[in-house]
Amino acid sequence: DAKTTQPPSMDCAEGRAANLPCNHSTISGNEYVYWYRQIHSQGPQYIIHGLKNNETNEMASLIITEDRKSSTLILPHATLRDTAVYYCIITGGGNKLTFGTGTQLKVEL
Amino acid sequence: DGGITQSPKYLFRKEGQNVTLSCEQNLNHDAMYWYRQDPGQGLRLIYYSQIVNDFQKGDIAEGYSVSREKKESFPLTVTSAQKNPTAFYLCASTKLAGANGELFFGEGSRLTVL
Repeated sequence: DAKTTQPPSMDCAEGRAANLPCNHSTISGNEYVYWYRQIHSQGPQYIIHGLKNNETNEMASLIITEDRKSSTLILPHATLRDTAVYYCIITGGGNKLTFGTGTQLKVEL
Repeated sequence: DGGITQSPKYLFRKEGQNVTLSCEQNLNHDAMYWYRQDPGQGLRLIYYSQIVNDFQKGDIAEGYSVSREKKESFPLTVTSAQKNPTAFYLCASTKLAGANGELFFGEGSRLTVL
């Protein structure tokens, strides 16, 4: 599975959009981009995933660049409850997901 | 409600003792996974199983053992051979065929070796 690079931390004001970047320059054609988040001392929670098209669900939007070498997770109106570690994961299947250290998002008033 | 249940939530053990962490799911998922998380770190894969009576080593399997005798159960034993077992352990499961690959996680078991 391809390796990912994420900033270790980000801050966001409550009510503003949180844009979390992820670089995955070695991604191959059949690999998906998955995003999970982990609130302190809990199990990670699935957010969204995509292959090459942009995706949106009730939690977030996922923007994947045309060359698929990077992506951005967008939380459109961040709240204090969105404070968590966000993991970007690339996987080609087999469901053997490898988690890096992610981005610690802190949403502040 | 369907989900994954891990027990115990907190566990203390003395050095040299084996300990077994329970993971049960009632989601009818095919695959189950065990991850380890150390403070400030990401998750590292210990073992995974895609079918009953079969399992594969992950990235850090040394000092751990698993079994998959039933589809809904995937217990993890932390043996005395694991040199640094104090950690947060997470179990996960997913449906393989016809699914989007989403992993469902339990709430974790925190093991402390005294």
